[in-house]
Amino acid sequence: DAMVIQNPRYQVTQFGKPVTLSCSQTLNHNVMYWYQQKSSQAPKLLFHYYDKDFNNEADTPDNFQSRRPNTSFCFLDIRSPGLGDTAMYLCATSRYRGEGAEAFFGQGTRLTVV
Amino acid sequence: AQRVTQPEKLLSVFKGAPVELKCNYSYSGSPELFWYVQYSRQRLQLLLRHISRESIKGFTADLNKGETSFHLKKPFAQEEDSAMYYCALSDIQGAQKLVFGQGTRLTINP
Repeated sequence: DAMVIQNPRYQVTQFGKPVTLSCSQTLNHNVMYWYQQKSSQAPKLLFHYYDKDFNNEADTPDNFQSRRPNTSFCFLDIRSPGLGDTAMYLCATSRYRGEGAEAFFGQGTRLTVV
Repeated sequence: AQRVTQPEKLLSVFKGAPVELKCNYSYSGSPELFWYVQYSRQRLQLLLRHISRESIKGFTADLNKGETSFHLKKPFAQEEDSAMYYCALSDIQGAQKLVFGQGTRLTINP
C-alpha cells in the first residue's frame, strides 16, 4: 500500500509555464521533504516542512516554492520552469527529525521542461 | 559542510561473490549514516542505518569514524541485490536533513 503518493508520475511542461507537483501521505508524519534529482546525480534537498515550519535550503532557487495546507499534503510549485529544471522530483516524509528518523519516499514525478 | 562520496557509479559482480559498496563522508559533527536502496521500478527505501547495527538482506555496514567511511558489505551476492544504492548522512544535532551520495548501480551477474 502506497504511503507517500506523488502525482503526476510524469509531467511535461513548457518553458516558463508554472507547474505544480503534488505529494500526499497516509503516515501522519510531521516532516515532509522535496528533493530534486537530475540524471546520474544525488537527490538534492530543496526544502522541508516540520509541521507548518518551512525550511528552505540556501541554494534552492527562488523559482521553487512549496505549500503544505495540512499534514497530509505538500505541493511543489515551480513558477517559471527552465530547461535546467528537468529532473525527477522526490517527496519524502519522516515521523520526526533526529536520530533514527527514517525517510519514506514517493515514486517521484519525472518533470520534463520543453 | 556535509558531503557524501560514493566513488563507484557502477559495480558489477558475479552471483555468490562478495560485494562492497564504498561510502565516505565529511562532516565535523555527529553524523548518522544510512544506506538507501532503489530496486527497478520501485521507490527509494531504507536498507539500513548505522545506529541499528543490524544486518538486512545479508548486508551490513560499519561506521568507521577514523576513516570517515560507511561501506556496505555482503559476503555472497544474489541476483535480487541488483539495484541502485545510495549512502546518506544526517546531522543528528543540526538541521537533521538527509544528504545523499551520487549512488552506485550494483549489477549481479548470474
